[in-house]
Amino acid sequence: AQSVTQLDSQVPVFEEAPVELRCNYSSSVSVYLFWYVQYPNQGLQLLLKYLSGSTLVKGINGFEAEFNKSQTSFHLRKPSVHISDTAEYFCAVSGEGKLIFGQGTELSVKP
Amino acid sequence: DGGITQSPKYLFRKEGQNVTLSCEQNLNHDAMYWYRQDPGQGLRLIYYSQIVNDFQKGDIAEGYSVSREKKESFPLTVTSAQKNPTAFYLCASSPLTSGGRSTDTQYFGPGTRLTVL
Repeated sequence: AQSVTQLDSQVPVFEEAPVELRCNYSSSVSVYLFWYVQYPNQGLQLLLKYLSGSTLVKGINGFEAEFNKSQTSFHLRKPSVHISDTAEYFCAVSGEGKLIFGQGTELSVKP
Repeated sequence: DGGITQSPKYLFRKEGQNVTLSCEQNLNHDAMYWYRQDPGQGLRLIYYSQIVNDFQKGDIAEGYSVSREKKESFPLTVTSAQKNPTAFYLCASSPLTSGGRSTDTQYFGPGTRLTVL
């Protein structure tokens, strides 16, 4: 069975600082991996995805993630965050026709 | 504009009543999904459907029912058997990869916040 663990439930950071949101997955088969963002009282929006090919994936809003098969990780990074990046971020892995989501990481960017 | 619509955005229900949440998509996606979101618990899958007139239970199907009579519509009924229905409900759709083994990107609606009084 597949599973996803987001290692931090909350990440506070100051504006213009770098940030890393950590995600580990378990799967016995090859996977597709996703990061979604959710702003308050809204649906989820895709940030980026890894299907195959280059392990460094670039997404919207300046975010990127690196697929590391040996460490079964898919950490999300941004070199300099803005106040507007304050939101909840979800990592997900696909399999058997559905997505399995992590518990979410609340990113709070302070001025 | 292509996308997913959910209605209503806010819904109030008295205890013991059934209520149906609407989800419509015009993306021509085969698969549709219903999730429940509670604070600190991420998204939990309620039901999903990969084809018209067929659907499967997710992780927390008890107290819920669905139908898939049309490709573009996947309504969710929260029955009186659901013990704690107050939550944020999200609908999503996606194309299927060949063989239906995995899903590519899921596209989400704006959600319906259900409150039981």
